[in-house]
Amino acid sequence: GDSVTQMEGPVTLSEEAFLTINCTYTATGYPSLFWYVQYPGEGLQLLLKATKADDKGSNKGFEATYRKETTSFHLEKGSVQVSDSAVYFCALSERAGGTSYGKLTFGQGTILTVHP
Amino acid sequence: ETGVTQTPRHLVMGMTNKKSLKCEQHLGHNAMYWYKQSAKKPLELMFVYSLEERVENNSVPSRFSPECPNSSHLFLHLHTLQPEDSALYLCASSQGSSSGAEAFFGQGTRLTVV
Repeated sequence: GDSVTQMEGPVTLSEEAFLTINCTYTATGYPSLFWYVQYPGEGLQLLLKATKADDKGSNKGFEATYRKETTSFHLEKGSVQVSDSAVYFCALSERAGGTSYGKLTFGQGTILTVHP
Repeated sequence: ETGVTQTPRHLVMGMTNKKSLKCEQHLGHNAMYWYKQSAKKPLELMFVYSLEERVENNSVPSRFSPECPNSSHLFLHLHTLQPEDSALYLCASSQGSSSGAEAFFGQGTRLTVV
């Protein structure tokens, strides 16, 4: 079945440091890939997405590129801020055969803490 | 109001109580989901409703009973829960016509079973 593997956390960085959170996936078809972010006490918010190979998703300074050859979708940001402290989830969505909905499979989440 | 709204935000219940979680979406989506988020565990998909019909039930105990009366509303009825059921319960919706559809999440209900 489909699966998503994220790098183990927690990740602790100083403000303005470079961020990379690794994500690799296993899927039978051609999934769409997502990064979600969860701030303390909140639900998940979509951060960015990519729907086909070589697509780059970007939002709020975060970027991730859909790499089919390495089955990866690593999240990067050039200069993190304290306000980026949150839990980050990598996910994929593959339309189940014969169904009318897309089913999300999540990684285990990576806790990011940014210090001033 | 737009997006996905869950009520209540917090709930404390005894093991013999019966309560319900409510989810409402104003996005015109045709699929709705219940997820369970426990500490130090991946997000667990519990139920999926597509076009108001339950299409997935991922081995969830019968003390959790979902209901989808229409495409905008989803409930999770709870009875005789156990302390290990304490978790954040997240509702989501999507327009599931293709594999590229992302899910939109509510803020969750923090459930504590005492």
